[in-house]
Amino acid sequence: NAGVTQTPKFQVLKTGQSMTLQCAQDMNHNSMYWYRQDPGMGLRLIYYSASEGTTDKGEVPNGYNVSRLNKREFSLRLESAAPSQTSVYFCASSEEGNRHYGYTFGSGTRLTVV
Amino acid sequence: KNEVEQSPQNLTAQEGEFITINCSYSVGISALHWLQQHPGGGIVSLFMLSSGKKKHGRLIATINIQEKHSSLHITASHPRDSAVYICALIKLGGTSYGKLTFGQGTILTVHP
Repeated sequence: NAGVTQTPKFQVLKTGQSMTLQCAQDMNHNSMYWYRQDPGMGLRLIYYSASEGTTDKGEVPNGYNVSRLNKREFSLRLESAAPSQTSVYFCASSEEGNRHYGYTFGSGTRLTVV
Repeated sequence: KNEVEQSPQNLTAQEGEFITINCSYSVGISALHWLQQHPGGGIVSLFMLSSGKKKHGRLIATINIQEKHSSLHITASHPRDSAVYICALIKLGGTSYGKLTFGQGTILTVHP
């Protein structure tokens, strides 16, 4: 099925550990995004990639790095996990048409840092 | 002050009722999304609007660009409509690249 695939769905890390969240889309979208969702804070943008080979910081980039490996894949890396990074992470992609962006979200990764 | 304000924050309804969720914003936009998130679930874009009105089944979304206001209506509500509904904007500007700015969400519970 066409869409955005995120892995893993659940992860528990110890403080200081590293991990990479994987995201892939098969809709040939140019733009991809990583958002985090926290109770009381809603959804916030971590990083985005407007096209293959480019990445830019969003609202809350500290503690994260990203890689736009190719047009399909956009990964999010936590180099040294902290309890403040406990959150639900969503990858998304969008198509651009006349400045209108149709959005597709992944199913989310629930990350707990202990 | 948040750029996107939703109301109400919580909404409880009986099955069959007509429901309205409102979204007001303070910035220029190129498009507005209404998103749906079921408990523990993923996020689905229900509508993307830049003007006027869209309808899909029992759901209707409207937007008034001049008044900077959008509404999501659910007719003949059903318990399966219970979810969080989120208004999200794409701001005007050449560097928007489709980045979303989100409202805080409305938690809807529909009782049988």
